[in-house]
This record gives sequence, C-alpha cells and structure tokens, in this order.
Amino acid sequence: EPEVTQTPSHQVTQMGQEVILRCVPISNHLYFYWYRQILGQKVEFLVSFYNNEISEKSEIFDDQFSVERPDGSNFTLKIRSTKLEDSAMYFCASSEGLARDYGYTFGSGTRLTVV
Amino acid sequence: RKEVEQDPGPFNVPEGATVAFNCTYSNSASQSFFWYRQDCRKEPKLLMSVYSSGNEDGRFTAQLNRASQYISLLIRDSKLSDSATYLCVVNPPSSSASKIIFGSGTRLSIRP
Repeated sequence: EPEVTQTPSHQVTQMGQEVILRCVPISNHLYFYWYRQILGQKVEFLVSFYNNEISEKSEIFDDQFSVERPDGSNFTLKIRSTKLEDSAMYFCASSEGLARDYGYTFGSGTRLTVV
Repeated sequence: RKEVEQDPGPFNVPEGATVAFNCTYSNSASQSFFWYRQDCRKEPKLLMSVYSSGNEDGRFTAQLNRASQYISLLIRDSKLSDSATYLCVVNPPSSSASKIIFGSGTRLSIRP
C-alpha cells in the first residue's frame, strides 16, 4: 500500500534554531498538508499546498513557518527560529483530490522536541 | 462553540460489546465527514467516510444527521484491537476546500 514517508522520526533542537521536516507524499497525490499535534491535544491544521503554492494556512502558521516542494517528490516544513511551544508531533499528509471527496493519508510523523 | 466536539471518554467496555460515539460540528455548511482512528503516538488513519444515507463497513456503522449537525460511529462486537482514539473529522467550507478539522477524539479501551 502506498505510504507517506516522513524523516526524521524524532528531532531534538535548541530553541532559536531552524529545523526542516521532510516528507515524501504518495506519488500521484496532488494535495499536501502539514498538521501538528501537541502531546495530549488534538490534531491541528497548519497548511495545505496545491499546484506549488499554499492554498490555505491556519493562524498557527505564522512567519516562522514555511513550506516548499523543492523537487517532484519532497515536501518540507521549515521552522525558522524554534520556540519551546513548537514541540509537537508534526504530521505530513497527502490526498488524491479535495478533502470533501478523499480522505488523507498521513505519514507516521516527526516528533520535534525543542529544548 | 468548538468546530468539532466529541466526548473525550474514556469508554471502557468488554470485548464483544457494542459501543457508540457521537460528535457535533458547528458549521452547518460543512461538506464531508470522516472517522479516523489514532493509536497511541501514531498517525491518524482513515476509518471511514460518513455519508448522509449512513454507511456500514463490517462491524462499523457511521451516521450523519445534518439537521442536528451530529455524526455517530457504532462499533459492534468490539475487539481488543479496536482500542484506540477515534477522531471525528469534518471538512468545513474554506477557501481551498481541502482542509479537514479534527475533533479532540474519544478514547476507547476494550477489556478482555
């Protein structure tokens, strides 16, 4: 079964450092997403990406965050200057089409710990 | 009012029992509805979509009531492997129509 791949599985970084989380979506999917889940809390939408541009972003996704699809396969989330409160599980997801018609496939996540 | 609201549980039921979860959503213009399951420290996985006419997948039955803005999930003959957090998910109207919003989840624990 096709899957979404995320690396690394766990990243520890010092406050103020930049991190890049990487994702390889399913190859024929057109929509890409980042979500995060702070420990013990709900899964929160960060950003959706389609046709090489951001289609929607949440209030959480401020100027510290950026996304990129640098080549035909990777989809990255960059946090420029990490804060303690950025510690969370970050999930990448992809879908074949619009959310109303298709579910998402999530990757297994990157656990980000900011110290 | 929260966009998607669920009873957090936990529900602790014996194997073989029938258990039902409900979920309410705030935006009446929401278009699509799903149930996802999340195991501890794992990613959410799509369990099933929820259709207006109701739908069934094996032991799982999902119902949608648009008038009351609630969604339900029924699990019959529960198995130990059904222990997980069940996430109610809604596709609200948005600029991109591609976003889905998660409820906080209902924890289910099946005991032998």
